[in-house]
Amino acid sequence: GQQLNQSPQSMFIQEGEDVSMNCTSSSIFNTWLWYKQEPGEGPVLLIALYKAGELTSNGRLTAQFGITRKDSFLNISASIPSDVGIYFCAGLNYGGSQGNLIFGKGTKLSVKP
Amino acid sequence: NAGVTQTPKFQVLKTGQSMTLQCAQDMNHNSMYWYRQDPGMGLRLIYYSASEGTTDKGEVPNGYNVSRLNKREFSLRLESAAPSQTSVYFCASSERTGAINGYTFGSGTRLTVV
Repeated sequence: GQQLNQSPQSMFIQEGEDVSMNCTSSSIFNTWLWYKQEPGEGPVLLIALYKAGELTSNGRLTAQFGITRKDSFLNISASIPSDVGIYFCAGLNYGGSQGNLIFGKGTKLSVKP
Repeated sequence: NAGVTQTPKFQVLKTGQSMTLQCAQDMNHNSMYWYRQDPGMGLRLIYYSASEGTTDKGEVPNGYNVSRLNKREFSLRLESAAPSQTSVYFCASSERTGAINGYTFGSGTRLTVV
C-alpha cells in the first residue's frame, strides 16, 4: 500500500531555532496536509496544500507541496516552547477507497527554553 | 463547538474483557474513522465508515468491530481485549472520504490492557 516516509523521527532544538521536516512517498498525492498533536490531545490540522509547487504559510509555519507531488516540507521559524508536539504529514488522493488519508509516522519536536 | 467527542478518556481492562469506545461528531460529517496510535507507528486506520450504513476495514482491523449507529455516532468494540491492544485510540470525521480539508480528530481514549 501507499506509505509516507517522514523525517526526522525526532528533533531536540533550542528556543529560537528554525525547524525543517519533510515527507516523501513513492506515490503521487493530490493534497498534502500537516497536523500537529500536542501531548494528550488529538491531531489538529495546521496547513493544507492543494497544488504542486504551492507554498503556504500559517504564522511561523510554512509548508510546500513538492513539484513532483511525491513530497512535502514543513518549516517552523523561530521556535518557541509551545511548538512542542508531534507533527504528522498526511497525503490524500481524491475519490479513492480505504479512507484515503495516509499518515506519516510523525516528527516529535522538543524545544528547550 | 464540540467537534468530535470520545468517551471514555482513559480505560484499564483485564485481558479477555470487552468494551466499547464511543465517538460522536456534531459537524454533520458523512465519514468517520477509528485510528490507533502506538509509539513510532504513527496513526493506523482500524475501520472507517464512508457514510451512514456502511463500514469497511482499514489497515489493522483484527480484534475489533465497529457500528455506525447513526450519522453522528461511530463506536469501536473490543470483544476480548489483549495486551497488544494497549494503545491510544482516536476517532475522526470528515465531510466525506477524500475531503480535501482533511479530518477532525477527537482527543483520544487511552486504553491499557493488563
